[in-house]
Amino acid sequence: KQEVTQIPAALSVPEGENLVLNCSFTDSAIYNLQWFRQDPGKGLTSLLLIQSSQREQTSGRLNASLDKSSGRSTLYIAASQPGDSATYLCAGHTGANSKLTFGKGITLSVRP
Amino acid sequence: NAGVTQTPKFRILKIGQSMTLQCTQDMNHNYMYWYRQDPGMGLKLIYYSVGAGITDKGEVPNGYNVSRSTTEDFPLRLELAAPSQTSVYFCASRGGGYGYTFGSGTRLTVV
Repeated sequence: KQEVTQIPAALSVPEGENLVLNCSFTDSAIYNLQWFRQDPGKGLTSLLLIQSSQREQTSGRLNASLDKSSGRSTLYIAASQPGDSATYLCAGHTGANSKLTFGKGITLSVRP
Repeated sequence: NAGVTQTPKFRILKIGQSMTLQCTQDMNHNYMYWYRQDPGMGLKLIYYSVGAGITDKGEVPNGYNVSRSTTEDFPLRLELAAPSQTSVYFCASRGGGYGYTFGSGTRLTVV
């Protein structure tokens, strides 16, 4: 059974800092991995999707990488802004028809 | 483009009452999902559907039921509400790829 872990549960950084959010998973046969953003009281917004054949994806200031052999994914946020404050969840599919398994999320606070 | 619409946004139920959480999507997605999210936890899958007329249990199906009579609608039924069902419920859909669209959630309190 796939398990997804995100540590730490919360992170506070000053504005402008480059930061890395970590995600680890137990089943290296992961089919794809996604990063989502959740604002307080809101639903989830998909940020980046990395297929198992890819190593990374980029969107603006965000870059996500996937290392299947080590069971890790990272979300890199460049030049963080207060508007980046949210909870970031990673989730993976183990197979083409499997369901998403979510981590518990990392709550990020970017201080002005 | 409405995406995934959930109603109601908030609801308070008394123990033993029943209710239906509504979910509608307008993207013609085959796959639809119901998740619950408890404070400080990730999302747990309750039920899912791969197309009209086909549903299956997720990780935490007890106390819930679903139906999928059309591609657009995927209602979640709570029978005999219990305090343990206090949570935020999210409906999601996806097409043939793996890009998920989530609704804004229903915050349910059982007292």
